[in-house]
Amino acid sequence: DAGITQSPRYKITETGRQVTLMCHQTWSHSYMFWYRQDLGHGLRLIYYSAAADITDKGEVPDGYVVSRSKTENFPLTLESATRSQTSVYFCASSAWVYNSPLHFGNGTRLTVT
Amino acid sequence: AQTVTQSQPEMSVQEAETVTLSCTYDTSESDYYLFWYKQPPSRQMILVIRQEAYKQQNATENRFSVNFQKAAKSFSLKISDSQLGDAAMYFCAYRRSNFGNEKLTFGTGTRLTIIP
Repeated sequence: DAGITQSPRYKITETGRQVTLMCHQTWSHSYMFWYRQDLGHGLRLIYYSAAADITDKGEVPDGYVVSRSKTENFPLTLESATRSQTSVYFCASSAWVYNSPLHFGNGTRLTVT
Repeated sequence: AQTVTQSQPEMSVQEAETVTLSCTYDTSESDYYLFWYKQPPSRQMILVIRQEAYKQQNATENRFSVNFQKAAKSFSLKISDSQLGDAAMYFCAYRRSNFGNEKLTFGTGTRLTIIP
């Protein structure tokens, strides 16, 4: 099915561990984004990518790493998880035209203990 | 930097009534796009409506309409004939149109409760 999928849907990890959240889209959209959602903050941009091998920092990039070797995949890695990274993470994609909306995955709820 | 403000953390409305959610934004750009997203308890982010800044006509999608006041930098969402399925978090979002800056900036959201 066409769309954008995130995995896992839920993840519990311990402080200091590395964890990777996966994102895959089937539309061949140029743009992909990672947001985190926290109460009182709305959605804040972590990283985004305009195309394969092109990534840029968003509002809250510290502690996160991204890569985009293929157009359809945009994994987000927490190199050494901290409790402050407990959040719901959303991946999104959009076509290159400016008025295109973002299409979101269903989110990953990450808990760092 | 662009900012989006939703000053109503929570709103409630009687079923079948009309409710308006407010959103203001700050930008120095003249060309941009505005969106309202709905997030029900399922956590899914659903596009409700979008507005191009160069269009004076307010966007409408069935029971959802916006009041776009460009000079005031205001972008409110009106939901008519509210239904139980409208209960959700609603996020206002801004997107600059210049190439190289395609990200959406979100407000903090308004939680809408529908009273049966």
